[in-house]
Amino acid sequence: DAGVTQSPTHLIKTRGQHVTLRCSPISGHKSVSWYQQVLGQGPQFIFQYYEKEERGRGNFPDRFSARQFPNYSSELNVNALLLGDSALYLCASSLVGLADYNEQFFGPGTRLTVL
Amino acid sequence: QKEVEQNSGPLSVPEGAIASLNCTYSDRGSQSFFWYRQYSGKSPELIMSIYSNGDKEDGRFTAQLNKASQYVSLLIRDSQPSDSATYLCAVLSYSGYALNFGKGTSLLVTP
Repeated sequence: DAGVTQSPTHLIKTRGQHVTLRCSPISGHKSVSWYQQVLGQGPQFIFQYYEKEERGRGNFPDRFSARQFPNYSSELNVNALLLGDSALYLCASSLVGLADYNEQFFGPGTRLTVL
Repeated sequence: QKEVEQNSGPLSVPEGAIASLNCTYSDRGSQSFFWYRQYSGKSPELIMSIYSNGDKEDGRFTAQLNKASQYVSLLIRDSQPSDSATYLCAVLSYSGYALNFGKGTSLLVTP
């Protein structure tokens, strides 16, 4: 079975630009979460979507937005890019959005560099 | 902000030894705990999950959970050089959807 897929793998943008990152979950998984990982830190939670509804949002500015499509794939959008947005953006797929367990499986990530 | 704390290391162990990785968390309501392995330049890979107090074994890996002490650990037996990576402890938030990660412990297994 295919795992979580993300595109693109690498991206270089300049300050002020907009970026869209894409994710397809594991087949049968209905929940997608987005995380940001800067060098030397653990991933930080940005959003979770379950059945196309936003379940939760982390401590990120409104420049960050996301959505989930009927096929459960997801997009993360970041507007007005700042240098500090340079990071590895990770998408995680899980079988359920609400559960005591909620194992989350990560895709390969998109490396975003903002110049 | 609910915190997850890990010693950043590096933790260096000789090949064949037991590596012990530790994690403490502040959210007493947390019920689900995970260990991820992350190789340099790669994404995190789920290696263990644990939900009940006690030990859970999977091959060379054993996860230990003590909710009263708010402590999670990962033991790697017969460590191999291929185990050299950063190990991330993650705690599912009480809300049930966000994983809170520690900064990770860097493990180096020397031949």
